[in-house]
Amino acid sequence: GAGVSQSPRYKVAKRGQDVALRCDPISGHVSLFWYQQALGQGPEFLTYFQNEAQLDKSGLPSDRFFAERPEGSVSTLKIQRTQQEDSAVYLCASSNSRSGANVLTFGAGSRLTVL
Amino acid sequence: DQQVKQNSPSLSVQEGRISILNCDYTNSMFDYFLWYKKYPAEGPTFLISISSIKDKNEDGRFTVFLNKSAKHLSLHIVPSQPGDSAVYFCAASGVVSGNTGKLIFGQGTTLQVKP
Repeated sequence: GAGVSQSPRYKVAKRGQDVALRCDPISGHVSLFWYQQALGQGPEFLTYFQNEAQLDKSGLPSDRFFAERPEGSVSTLKIQRTQQEDSAVYLCASSNSRSGANVLTFGAGSRLTVL
Repeated sequence: DQQVKQNSPSLSVQEGRISILNCDYTNSMFDYFLWYKKYPAEGPTFLISISSIKDKNEDGRFTVFLNKSAKHLSLHIVPSQPGDSAVYFCAASGVVSGNTGKLIFGQGTTLQVKP
């Protein structure tokens, strides 16, 4: 596609529910990143994929967070047993570079509100 | 620890004047720096970047300056326009961030350009 597409744009979950957020990166982009942006803060790195391989998951805040990209294109970020502190905008970004200096193209984000 | 810092949460300037947004970083191993602009309900969009081998990069009304000895960069917008009103994020990457293209973001500065 022309840009990075994320769905749903808005998600309200009750505490304890599981949620799944989807990212469609730009076609052909090798690298895919997930970021979490809390209100009034900058995006914080969660995890990174190169094709289908998850090469860095150092930013995932707990084992309730899980991400996958099984075919090296679409990615899903899953949050189990959601907590109020999980409320944030989840941003997906992709790039066609495997390393080094490169520009990430971001999607519009999925805003998660946990009640 | 915040590796990339934007110490001014907000800035207000008059249309036609210069806007100067500042960013400091703590790790000298960062070698690529970017500025992103974000409108409400949209993802961050790339604005301009600079490699550590340069001290200035210009693109139209936007110029980024890098002072490696001070670990400081700034974004100059001149002349400022009301459409420039947005949140601006400084970001850095390099070997220190795994050399994957992973970006470390500052907290953002909200720029308001008054007509």
